[in-house]
Amino acid sequence: KNEVEQSPQNLTAQEGEFITINCSYSVGISALHWLQQHPGGGIVSLFMLSSGKKKHGRLIATINIQEKHSSLHITASHPRDSAVYICAVRLPVKYSGGGADGLTFGKGTHLIIQP
Amino acid sequence: DVKVTQSSRYLVKRTGEKVFLECVQDMDHENMFWYRQDPGLGLRLIYFSYDVKMKEKGDIPEGYSVSREKKERFSLILESASTNQTSMYLCASSPGNSYEQYFGPGTRLTVT
Repeated sequence: KNEVEQSPQNLTAQEGEFITINCSYSVGISALHWLQQHPGGGIVSLFMLSSGKKKHGRLIATINIQEKHSSLHITASHPRDSAVYICAVRLPVKYSGGGADGLTFGKGTHLIIQP
Repeated sequence: DVKVTQSSRYLVKRTGEKVFLECVQDMDHENMFWYRQDPGLGLRLIYFSYDVKMKEKGDIPEGYSVSREKKERFSLILESASTNQTSMYLCASSPGNSYEQYFGPGTRLTVT
């Protein structure tokens, strides 16, 4: 079983629509990240959260620790929002290293916003 | 702004060649990471380092090694490149007291 599950895998919507991308994980975590990857490869961190809700512009991220679930919402979507959105978590100490554990990633949601 | 740079955006190598991928960050971050990204599999951690000369294996270290001789530079080495190492390689760094990671632009490696 994947440790981080994202849905949907692919999403095509019309400009202006409200978008929701979901992320579920299987064990307790220290932090959850939402990342954005545009064609060409560069990854940008959108949010890092461990509880509650964060908002930045038209983007909103929520997390429910008890349900092990997070959502990323995009309001008033625009074609420039077209990208791959990736959920990543920091799992409980998995490696023997000094606290710098790497992230475990979902497979991403490919979002296309059509004009 | 944090800047993480990678030595090449695109690289083509032959099977059996030794390949070096370089990553440099300019924010004095303690932690650095190498990931590879493949369609349908997402990003997977290869190696990471939390200090100079320190390294830890990630999920898929086989066929790779790393070097961190200076704090700002983290190198990924493919000792003998194979076709199954064709992938997008992404470097990231983070400060010691934060889980926030900053990614480089990626290197798309093709091994023929």
